Amino acid sequence: GAGVSQTPSNKVTEKGKYVELRCDPISGHTALYWYRQSLGQGPEFLIYFQGTGAADDSGLPNDRFFAVRPEGSVSTLKIQRTERGDSAVYLCATSRGSGSRETQYFGPGTRLLVL
Amino acid sequence: DQQVKQNSPSLSVQEGRISILNCDYTNSMFDYFLWYKKYPAEGPTFLISISSIKDKNEDGRFTVFLNKSAKHLSLHIVPSQPGDSAVYFCAASGHGSGNTGKLIFGQGTTLQVKP
Repeated sequence: GAGVSQTPSNKVTEKGKYVELRCDPISGHTALYWYRQSLGQGPEFLIYFQGTGAADDSGLPNDRFFAVRPEGSVSTLKIQRTERGDSAVYLCATSRGSGSRETQYFGPGTRLLVL
Repeated sequence: DQQVKQNSPSLSVQEGRISILNCDYTNSMFDYFLWYKKYPAEGPTFLISISSIKDKNEDGRFTVFLNKSAKHLSLHIVPSQPGDSAVYFCAASGHGSGNTGKLIFGQGTTLQVKP
C-alpha cells in the first residue's frame, strides 16, 4: 500500500522567502507528526496533529514556523522569512492513532536548502 | 539538553558477527523505546521496540535490551548482514515526552557491515 509521501523532495530557496512543505499521510492515519533533521543529528520533533487540531506544537522553533491540517489528512508545514539555519530535512510521520505505542511511519522527507 | 544519546557515531563489523548499538537516556519518565533504521534518501523505518516493563524483546536477528536502572538500551543484530548497513536511531517516548507519542531521537549510529 501507499506510504507517507512528501512533496517536494527537494527545495532550494533564498533567505527571506516563504516555503510550503506538503505531507500526504497513509490513508486512515489520524495522528501526524513533523520532525526536522539537521546534518549529523537525529530527527527533532516540531508539531503533532490529532485529526485537524495541533495537539502539541511545542517543538516549533519560533513563530516563523506554522503547520495546518485543515481536513485531518494532508498537512502543510509553512516557513516564513526563511533563514540559512532552516536548512534541514523535514520529515513527516503518521500513525493510526496517538500515543507512544502506535508505530510511526515516516515519509522520505523534504530536503530544504536556504541560500 | 540531549535526553537520548548515542555516543558512538559509527560502528564497523564483519558480516556474520554481532553488531551492538548502544543508547542512553536521561529522562526516567520515558516508558517506551524504539529503534529506527535509515537508508540514505529515505525516511526512518521502524525496526523494533520495547516497553519499560520488559528488559528484552526479540524479533528475528534483532534483539533490544533495556536496563532501566542504568537508563541504557542496546540493539543486538546477529548475524550481521551487509544489507544492515544504515544509520540506526534510538528513540524514546511516553510520559517523559508528554505522552502524545512524539519521539525523542538520539543522534544516530552509522553501521557498516563488511562482506
